Amino acid sequence: QQPVQSPQAVILREGEDAVINCSSSKALYSVHWYRQKHGEAPVFLMILLKGGEQKGHEKISASFNEKKQQSSLYLTASQLSYSGTYFCGTGGVNYGGSQGNLIFGKGTKLSVKP
Amino acid sequence: DVKVTQSSRYLVKRTGEKVFLECVQDMDHENMFWYRQDPGLGLRLIYFSYDVKMKEKGDIPEGYSVSREKKERFSLILESASTNQTSMYLCATSLGQKNTEAFFGQGTRLTVV
Repeated sequence: QQPVQSPQAVILREGEDAVINCSSSKALYSVHWYRQKHGEAPVFLMILLKGGEQKGHEKISASFNEKKQQSSLYLTASQLSYSGTYFCGTGGVNYGGSQGNLIFGKGTKLSVKP
Repeated sequence: DVKVTQSSRYLVKRTGEKVFLECVQDMDHENMFWYRQDPGLGLRLIYFSYDVKMKEKGDIPEGYSVSREKKERFSLILESASTNQTSMYLCATSLGQKNTEAFFGQGTRLTVV
């Protein structure tokens, strides 16, 4: 049920770019992206909806391929503050009878070094 | 700002005890979630509620039950705690059924001894 994220971990230098991928075996209505810093709660970054609508972070972009049931998060010119674990969450259509459910992947740990 | 409050940050319970984890939100959100977070396993959904008294099982409901008698409160119940339920438990809420962003509580670190 969990979407699959890749890579599991990535180490970057400040200013470098990274891409985090998320794929699902179920039809997707939406894809969410969250970042969690050590010892803190996950924080919302972005949501991508079926049909192309996006809502979220100004400096982080993402794509959503509905046909392939995949999403990618693009982190450009990374900063030290980007460090943390990134989770994608998928909302399925009529999952268990409602549309509000949210299933997360295992996460991608991103470390940005000076 | 949305506030999602979990009753305890840290909890230590004995094997076999009945454990209640409480989550309260102040933004009138319809959806409430309980997740369990373990290293390497990400956030795994235990139960989801989309309205008062309405609930759906998530991916790992075994050993857990939930209660939602009021819109603002969602309780996770461990009927008979076991050591393999030692984990970080996160509550989250979101608005309605339109797949809006989820807001998380600070988590409860439960240790079962």
